[in-house]
Amino acid sequence: DSGVTQTPKHLITATGQRVTLRCSPRSGDLSVYWYQQSLDQGLQFLIQYYNGEERAKGNILERFSAQQFPDLHSELNLSSLELGDSALYFCASSGGTNYNEQFFGPGTRLTVL
Amino acid sequence: GQQVMQIPQYQHVQEGEDFTTYCNSSTTLSNIQWYKQRPGGHPVFLIQLVKSGEVKKQKRLTFQFGEAKKNSSLHITATQTTDVGTYFCAGPGTNAGKSTFGDGTTLTVKP
Repeated sequence: DSGVTQTPKHLITATGQRVTLRCSPRSGDLSVYWYQQSLDQGLQFLIQYYNGEERAKGNILERFSAQQFPDLHSELNLSSLELGDSALYFCASSGGTNYNEQFFGPGTRLTVL
Repeated sequence: GQQVMQIPQYQHVQEGEDFTTYCNSSTTLSNIQWYKQRPGGHPVFLIQLVKSGEVKKQKRLTFQFGEAKKNSSLHITATQTTDVGTYFCAGPGTNAGKSTFGDGTTLTVKP
């Protein structure tokens, strides 16, 4: 157990819809990262937040947005969903003495029908 | 932005054979990390290398950081079925804390 929680575990929705994925980082970690992993693909970095502020942006679509709240949990919002958005979405947190070490949550599997 | 390239993409071995995956960067890396993702699981941090020429061992796993800090390797001696999964290397991004992941090497082990 990494200490990072993600909800929901599975999400099935239709094209055009909007969903929100939630992540709670490990206690004390200030950084939260979001990744997308499509079938048999690598980890595509989407976005990083540090203590409530956006720190780095990767290949995140304009239809996607994220935020980190004062209690450090984070939400990833995906809108106008397309079939190609079906993927596993991971959240990771870091912030210990080795700030590069990321602890991954179990992921949210999104299926867009 | 900075990228790390990983080869091979797939590796199939017989149980007991050795396995190596390589990670290469066009730029010097301040550090590199290795993660393992079991089938159906999430990536799990294995190790971080920081020093030029550094070699670290974890039981049957040997991690190496190149002298120029542009490449790294993970070698598994005498693979076991428990070694199956995808191994990712990750280099630091342009912002503190951000990592850039390689595409991973998926290892399958035939018993």
